[in-house]
Amino acid sequence: SQTIHQWPATLVQPVGSPLSLECTVEGTSNPNLYWYRQAAGRGLQLLFYSVGIGQISSEVPQNLSASRPQDRQFILSSKKLLLSDSGFYLCAWSPGLVFGEVSTEAFFGQGTRLTVV
Amino acid sequence: RKEVEQDPGPFNVPEGATVAFNCTYSNSASQSFFWYRQDCRKEPKLLMSVYSSGNEDGRFTAQLNRASQYISLLIRDSKLSDSATYLCVVNKEYGNKLVFGAGTILRVKS
Repeated sequence: SQTIHQWPATLVQPVGSPLSLECTVEGTSNPNLYWYRQAAGRGLQLLFYSVGIGQISSEVPQNLSASRPQDRQFILSSKKLLLSDSGFYLCAWSPGLVFGEVSTEAFFGQGTRLTVV
Repeated sequence: RKEVEQDPGPFNVPEGATVAFNCTYSNSASQSFFWYRQDCRKEPKLLMSVYSSGNEDGRFTAQLNRASQYISLLIRDSKLSDSATYLCVVNKEYGNKLVFGAGTILRVKS
């Protein structure tokens, strides 16, 4: 069965410090990978989307970046955190689409609660 | 206009009640629709997919109205354990870019 691992679960970082969140998926190959952010009391905002190694689509302009160095590894980074970067960061995966498929549901990791102080 | 809009609630209902949530989406090219459930401080989990013909899973019924671009979720015989935030999800375009609504809070009380 497929599993998704995301760490750390919680993180407190000072303003201006760097960030690296890692997510890995097991039990599948060539998944679509996502990073979402959820601010307190708000919905999920899609940050990055990847259909393959080195292929990253950025959905919103910000001081965050993402990388996919391996098929099942997705990393969210920042060189300098802002207070506004605080939130609940969720990594998710979905099966890679085959010809004719429209889309499938996504499965989430347990999330990282980031507080920038 | 937001890509996916939901009434944030909260919906406060007694146990055993029937409650319905609606969700509207702006992209007429969207073809996949889902309802997710999110418990407090947890990750969202798939509740059910929404099919064109409507579908039912136990106490939960989902409907899709493409002409009006809205999706609904009906929960019958509400349980205390149904208390959660319900997220409406639509694919943004062909492919798997999923857009989430802000969620509707449901509180079921005894």
